[in-house]
Amino acid sequence: KAGVTQTPRYLIKTRGQQVTLSCSPISGHRSVSWYQQTPGQGLQFLFEYFSETQRNKGNFPGRFSGRQFSNSRSEMNVSTLELGDSALYLCASSLSTGSGAEAFFGQGTRLTVV
Amino acid sequence: SQQGEEDPQALSIQEGENATMNCSYKTSINNLQWYRQNSGRGLVHLILIRSNEREKHSGRLRVTLDTSKKSSSLLITASRAADTASYFCATVPFSGGYNKLIFGAGTRLAVHP
Repeated sequence: KAGVTQTPRYLIKTRGQQVTLSCSPISGHRSVSWYQQTPGQGLQFLFEYFSETQRNKGNFPGRFSGRQFSNSRSEMNVSTLELGDSALYLCASSLSTGSGAEAFFGQGTRLTVV
Repeated sequence: SQQGEEDPQALSIQEGENATMNCSYKTSINNLQWYRQNSGRGLVHLILIRSNEREKHSGRLRVTLDTSKKSSSLLITASRAADTASYFCATVPFSGGYNKLIFGAGTRLAVHP
């Protein structure tokens, strides 16, 4: 069974640009969550999607957005990039339709903003 | 912001020794999970303990949960060099959490051969 796949693995962008990251969950998993990891703030929850609906959102500015498609694949977008957006972005998928399920993480996309 | 604290922040031990990491959290939880991360890569789920459980074992891992103190501990017995990694506890809020994980700051474990 294939794991969670995130693309691209590495990305370098310039301040002010926008970026789209992609996540393909494990087959059958309908819940997809996104996290940002930085040395200063650690691992922070961005948002969770389930059946194409955002059902939970973290404390991030509106520049961070996401969506989920009917095949459960998800994308997150960051507009007007700032230097502080440089981070490892992790996607996780879960099987359970309820709450508190085990999460399976992808290898992450490392975004560098210059 | 993170849910709570983990201590120690870093732990250095010899192979064969036991490693204990502690985690504290702030609000009521549905469950608490432990994850492992190697060198800034993806996280791997280790174990999940529900709010009505007090102790759980999985192989060389033992997790305890004390909801009255809002704390948990992860014990790795007979550690190996391959256990070198960062370990994170993560809580799922009791209400409205769905699959939202709130992570602690993590403990960096180094196991020396």
